[in-house]
Amino acid sequence: GESVGLHLPTLSVQEGDNSIINCAYSNSASDYFIWYKQESGKGPQFIIDIRSNMDKRQGQRVTVLLNKTVKHLSLQIAATQPGDSAVYFCAENTGYSTLTFGKGTMLLVSP
Amino acid sequence: ETGVTQTPRHLVMGMTNKKSLKCEQHLGHNAMYWYKQSAKKPLELMFVYNFKEQTENNSVPSRFSPECPNSSHLFLHLHTLQPEDSALYLCASSPGQPNTGELFFGEGSRLTVL
Repeated sequence: GESVGLHLPTLSVQEGDNSIINCAYSNSASDYFIWYKQESGKGPQFIIDIRSNMDKRQGQRVTVLLNKTVKHLSLQIAATQPGDSAVYFCAENTGYSTLTFGKGTMLLVSP
Repeated sequence: ETGVTQTPRHLVMGMTNKKSLKCEQHLGHNAMYWYKQSAKKPLELMFVYNFKEQTENNSVPSRFSPECPNSSHLFLHLHTLQPEDSALYLCASSPGQPNTGELFFGEGSRLTVL
């Protein structure tokens, strides 16, 4: 079975709200955790990653939190915009660039 | 533009046809990947090439045959496919292996097998 999964298949938010997308993983040996965004008709695009020795990392409007105790990863998007509407995937890297992806969460942003 | 170009973007083929998918990256990367994306399933790694050498074959059926003539080009040769092989096939590249996991994906080739 897969070791990476998502709790919610679809998340609907209003423009300007903060969004939180969650992910569970099961492989304690994973070295990096990565979030990808996939817009309709496009390939996945790297958003942010976090190393296993960190618990928080911030980017532009995005924050990734890693809780190794409960094997949980989350992506927070501040002031969500319509352009953020996409499918978001979490992925884990066990250390040799082979990524295991989760099923994805669709984020729908209403104006 | 991601720097990874896939052709064709759409392909319809019969089960007895032979076709090929092409991927080209303009990023100077040394590792290239084929992923399969089916509806309602996670992205599945198929093949990995690092410096033109295949480093991973994720138990892919032999009707899929990859070819990597150089670090910039990757092909996926298709032969005698099944309808369940219909999917989006994504090519990706990275500077090399190992890396943190940041892959640069193309826009994919949508394959329909009749």
